[in-house]
Amino acid sequence: DVKVTQSSRYLVKRTGEKVFLECVQDMDHENMFWYRQDPGLGLRLIYFSYDVKMKEKGDIPEGYSVSREKKERFSLILESASTNQTSMYLCASSFLGLIGQRKTQYFGPGTRLLVL
Amino acid sequence: ELKVEQNPLFLSMQEGKNYTIYCNYSTTSDRLYWYRQDPGKSLESLFVLLSNGAVKQEGRLMASLDTKARLSTLHITAAVHDLSATYFCAVGFTGNQFYFGTGTSLTVIP
Repeated sequence: DVKVTQSSRYLVKRTGEKVFLECVQDMDHENMFWYRQDPGLGLRLIYFSYDVKMKEKGDIPEGYSVSREKKERFSLILESASTNQTSMYLCASSFLGLIGQRKTQYFGPGTRLLVL
Repeated sequence: ELKVEQNPLFLSMQEGKNYTIYCNYSTTSDRLYWYRQDPGKSLESLFVLLSNGAVKQEGRLMASLDTKARLSTLHITAAVHDLSATYFCAVGFTGNQFYFGTGTSLTVIP
């Protein structure tokens, strides 16, 4: 079974702190993604990566950065946390695949972040 | 602008009834995914639909895709309490990005 793990289930941070969220997958997937999930807004893509050291901005990258030094690990960084970054953060991974292949994304359990 | 719209956003239904959740999207795609999310949990893949006319069924859930209408449906047959969850559709576009709908929160009442 594919396993995607996230470093914390719950985090409480103060405004202005630097926050690291880590995600690890064990299926040798090329693609990894960070989303945030807010009520009524669904999942919104923050950043994704299709290879080590490669990253692409998603729909809402402002206030975030990412790091992918190893294939299995994708980190989301909040450089200076703000209260509007209180949210559920979900990591996902998938095979790169060819056109027409399934490319299902597999999700981690999520990190619920509260910024005070 | 890419849009993925689900409706309804909230659905309360009695056990034993049938209902359909709709997912409309604004740009051509041939890949559509359905996920389930239980409260406090992550997303679990339900169906992958890869071509026009694709239909997949598992248990009381059946998903279909009409790429010409840019519409997917998730049909629930004879609902049971265990189906209570939030259901998301996601549309795959060029590359590997997905765009998610806002989700449909389903509550099945005994």
